[in-house]
Amino acid sequence: EAQVTQNPRYLITVTGKKLTVTCSQNMNHEYMSWYRQDPGLGLRQIYYSMNVEVTDKGDVPEGYKVSRKEKRNFPLILESPSPNQTSLYFCASRRGNSPLHFGNGTRLTVT
Amino acid sequence: GENVEQHPSTLSVQEGDSAVIKCTYSDSASNYFPWYKQELGKGPQLIIDIRSNVGEKKDQRIAVTLNKTAKHFSLHITETQPEDSAVYFCAAKTGDMRFGAGTRLTVKP
Repeated sequence: EAQVTQNPRYLITVTGKKLTVTCSQNMNHEYMSWYRQDPGLGLRQIYYSMNVEVTDKGDVPEGYKVSRKEKRNFPLILESPSPNQTSLYFCASRRGNSPLHFGNGTRLTVT
Repeated sequence: GENVEQHPSTLSVQEGDSAVIKCTYSDSASNYFPWYKQELGKGPQLIIDIRSNVGEKKDQRIAVTLNKTAKHFSLHITETQPEDSAVYFCAAKTGDMRFGAGTRLTVKP
């Protein structure tokens, strides 16, 4: 089944403790992206990657890192999480100009 | 950059009625306008999309209209059913995708 898989689905952590949210897609898509979803703000792009070893900042990249060492994986790294990064995170992928395929989300709480 | 505004933020309709969600965009170069439906606990899923060379597109009970001159596009759902209850997002794409803030649709049986 074609899908975008995120792990974990839920995560509660404390301020300053490094964490990684994994994202994997099995559709051989070149493009992958991370979004955060907050009430009243919709989906805002954090980082995106057009292909392996190519990453670019989105609208809200501060406090996040990403890497794209393989085509299928695009992990999101929070080196020192803060409470304002409490949010619902989505990974997405697409090929060319086709529509985005989203994962099922990761709900992160930073206390 | 592109800015997408979506209205209303919440919408409640009776089963069988129609629902309309409207979006405006700022960048006249935007050429692709998808609509996504997000059910509880899931990621957004594409339900319909339209490109800038088309004014209207329909898929069963769902239709999207685009007015390029006014820079707005709308989602129309007819004969609503309780399973249509979800959050709906519009988006506009020039280079990258920009999303509206979302509309929570509730269909009351």
